Amino acid sequence: GENVEQHPSTLSVQEGDSAVIKCTYSDSASNYFPWYKQELGKRPQLIIDIRSNVGEKKDQRIAVTLNKTAKHFSLHITETQPEDSAVYFCAGNNDMRFGAGTRLTVKP
Amino acid sequence: NAGVTQTPKFQVLKTGQSMTLQCAQDMNHEYMSWYRQDPGMGLRLIHYSVGAGITDQGEVPNGYNVSRSTTEDFPLRLLSAAPSQTSVYFCASSSGPLRGQFFGPGTRLTVL
Repeated sequence: GENVEQHPSTLSVQEGDSAVIKCTYSDSASNYFPWYKQELGKRPQLIIDIRSNVGEKKDQRIAVTLNKTAKHFSLHITETQPEDSAVYFCAGNNDMRFGAGTRLTVKP
Repeated sequence: NAGVTQTPKFQVLKTGQSMTLQCAQDMNHEYMSWYRQDPGMGLRLIHYSVGAGITDQGEVPNGYNVSRSTTEDFPLRLLSAAPSQTSVYFCASSSGPLRGQFFGPGTRLTVL
């Protein structure tokens, strides 16, 4: 079945730096790639998504890039702030299979 | 709109007991799903539904049953609880495929 690998599992950056999280997937039929943010003790929330007919999508400080040939997509956060600290999940298989998550810590 | 709601927030069961986790949404979403979240394993799909009367198995369906008699409600039943079912359970809904999911606040279940 579909496998989604997410790296790194933890990421620590200084406030103002950029953060990049990468996911690889195995199902060639996947056409939708969302990213979710989960703050401690809270529910996951969709922050950005991309469809297979688009290579990049931006929303203020966050962006997602997709390489369908290589079967990977990445979340980019620029000018990180302490409130970006959370666990981030990617999803493949059209939003049915999640990566294991990346715990991002932004140090002030 | 309340969005996606789940009850209870916390539950402790003994091995072998049964219970139902409730999930409801008021957004008229056709798609609903149940996930469990365990440390270091992300969210794993248990069961999902693409509309009233239609359900299907996800990645980890064993030990769980679901039904979808209305668009709004999607209960998850544990038939005979086991310690391996100790987890945080999230219900989610979506307006359709490839639209992103809205998650409920979760239910923390402990099976002793």
